[in-house]
Amino acid sequence: DTEVTQTPKHLVMGMTNKKSLKCEQHMGHRAMYWYKQKAKKPPELMFVYSYEKLSINESVPSRFSPECPNSSLLNLHLHALQPEDSALYLCASSQVLRGGVNEQFFGPGTRLTVL
Amino acid sequence: AQKVTQAQTEISVVEKEDVTLDCVYETRDTTYYLFWYKQPPSGELVFLIRRNSFDEQNEISGRYSWNFQKSTSSFNFTITASQVVDSAVYFCAFLNRDDKIIFGKGTRLHILP
Repeated sequence: DTEVTQTPKHLVMGMTNKKSLKCEQHMGHRAMYWYKQKAKKPPELMFVYSYEKLSINESVPSRFSPECPNSSLLNLHLHALQPEDSALYLCASSQVLRGGVNEQFFGPGTRLTVL
Repeated sequence: AQKVTQAQTEISVVEKEDVTLDCVYETRDTTYYLFWYKQPPSGELVFLIRRNSFDEQNEISGRYSWNFQKSTSSFNFTITASQVVDSAVYFCAFLNRDDKIIFGKGTRLHILP
């Protein structure tokens, strides 16, 4: 199984809602990532988890809250988002974070619209 | 500063033509990794290749080939005999020593039937 899955595929939420994005991989990878991608732009790194510990937080606003319950799962909890947070949210995983086989494999993304 | 430049914003070629996508990077690191990813209209980024800074061997995979030249800090990607299914945005990316991947702005490739 060489796949990263993400749910939901699409999400529409109001600014007062609380929702969560889910990412799952069963490749035994120990590093997992969240990216945000606006239209016609490259992905921007948000968070990195390595061995279920938060390793990198790219100064993301606290209305985005990541969680890594186990080595296969990565969540992104959303609360009080703004319309400018509307984007494609991509999850990725890699075998390891440092050295070794570190190419990242991406999920299909969740297209988020904040009204 | 570390940077990845993909100077070609958009390219259109007719099917069966060869096309080269340019990527130039800047770094003072001696150890680094370079990648190419494809993003079709569906949105998922598809990993194509990884190169580390110690391996300057060029690589060919079917119709795809990559030319890595440290002397010019370039990692160019050529598609031979292009097909409509090759239409996508292609990103060149650089992994720095802080474990952060830096993407170029991408090249949007249109293969016309």
